[in-house]
Amino acid sequence: GENVEQHPSTLSVQEGDSAVIKCTYSDSASNYFPWYKQELGKGPQLIIDIRSNVGEKKDQRIAVTLNKTAKHFSLHITETQPEDSAVYFCAARGTYKYIFGTGTRLKVLA
Amino acid sequence: DADVTQTPRNRITKTGKRIMLECSQTKGHDRMYWYRQDPGLGLRLIYYSFDVKDINKGEISDGYSVSRQAQAKFSLSLESAIPNQTALYFCATSDWTAWNEQFFGPGTRLTVL
Repeated sequence: GENVEQHPSTLSVQEGDSAVIKCTYSDSASNYFPWYKQELGKGPQLIIDIRSNVGEKKDQRIAVTLNKTAKHFSLHITETQPEDSAVYFCAARGTYKYIFGTGTRLKVLA
Repeated sequence: DADVTQTPRNRITKTGKRIMLECSQTKGHDRMYWYRQDPGLGLRLIYYSFDVKDINKGEISDGYSVSRQAQAKFSLSLESAIPNQTALYFCATSDWTAWNEQFFGPGTRLTVL
């Protein structure tokens, strides 16, 4: 069946360093790839997304890259700050629904 | 005010009890979803609805049922709760466009004893 693999499950970085989270999807029909940030006690919130016709997208310190051939997409956070600490989920949207990755707990150490 | 609200936020119940979780949205979206979140498993889709007359099963619908009472309301029921349904439940909405961001509610933490 359709699935999305996400790595790593936990990631600790020093404040100011970069963080990279990677996802691989199985459904070649997937055409939209959002990334969500979930803070403690809250629902996931979209932070950046990418369509299948684009290879890279950047929004300030956050960027996402997509390799359709390899079915890989990645989230890059530069100059990490303590408020970036959260759980991050990738997702792949197929025909009607989203398949989510299992999440990455990012800790930014001050 | 929040665009997607869920009630209750926390619930503790006993095995065998019937439980209803409610979701309301003010975003005017047609599409609504119920997800379950477990540690290490991410978000898994339980049911989804594209309009009031359209209800579809997700990947883990067994033991759950839903009701779309209106465009703005989508309820999830556990007919006879069991301990392995202890989880965090999220409602989400999206519009009908091809690239549709999902907006999530704050979640309901359900504990079944």
